[in-house]
Amino acid sequence: EAGVAQSPRYKIIEKRQSVAFWCNPISGHATLYWYQQILGQGPKLLIQFQNNGVVDDSQLPKDRFSAERLKGVDSTLKIQPAKLEDSAVYLCAGSNKSSGANVLTFGAGSRLTVL
Amino acid sequence: GQQLNQSPQSMFIQEGEDVSMNCTSSSIFNTWLWYKQDPGEGPVLLIALYKAGELTSNGRLTAQFGITRKDSFLNISASIPSDVGIYFCAANAGGTSYGKLTFGQGTILTVHP
Repeated sequence: EAGVAQSPRYKIIEKRQSVAFWCNPISGHATLYWYQQILGQGPKLLIQFQNNGVVDDSQLPKDRFSAERLKGVDSTLKIQPAKLEDSAVYLCAGSNKSSGANVLTFGAGSRLTVL
Repeated sequence: GQQLNQSPQSMFIQEGEDVSMNCTSSSIFNTWLWYKQDPGEGPVLLIALYKAGELTSNGRLTAQFGITRKDSFLNISASIPSDVGIYFCAANAGGTSYGKLTFGQGTILTVHP
């Protein structure tokens, strides 16, 4: 079984520029999550999708962050314009009911550095 | 909001020693999980706990779901160099928070050969 694919693995941009991250979860994982992990901290949920619908985006800074999962498979997270405090690893994860609703499988993450 | 307080923040041990770390909260949770994260990788699930009082083992790892549902601990026995990494507790409150995990701050484990 292929794992969670994320790209790019690393991105360096200047503040006020834009960036987009892509994720393809494990096949059959209907629920997809984007987490933000700032250096030295645990991951924090940004947004949760069930198939192509948003379940929870209460922690997503909507003035600059957006995410979509149009066909209910892969997903894109965009930041525009980026701020210095957005420097973090952006982790994508998936889950399904057969593996346990709260058992998330994470990708390796996309590390963003904002200068 | 819900917070998990994980301790210790870091540990330096000798190979072969046992390790214990824990996670506490003022909130009640229905599920507790322990993840390990290696440098440059995402968290990998070690153990999932679903019932208060549950004690579960996975090889040299043992974890317990506290009776009060507000805490959990993870023990690693006879540590080896590949145990090095960051260990995170995570928890889910159930109900409408389906699938949403709150994470602790992590415990950095260093094992000296």
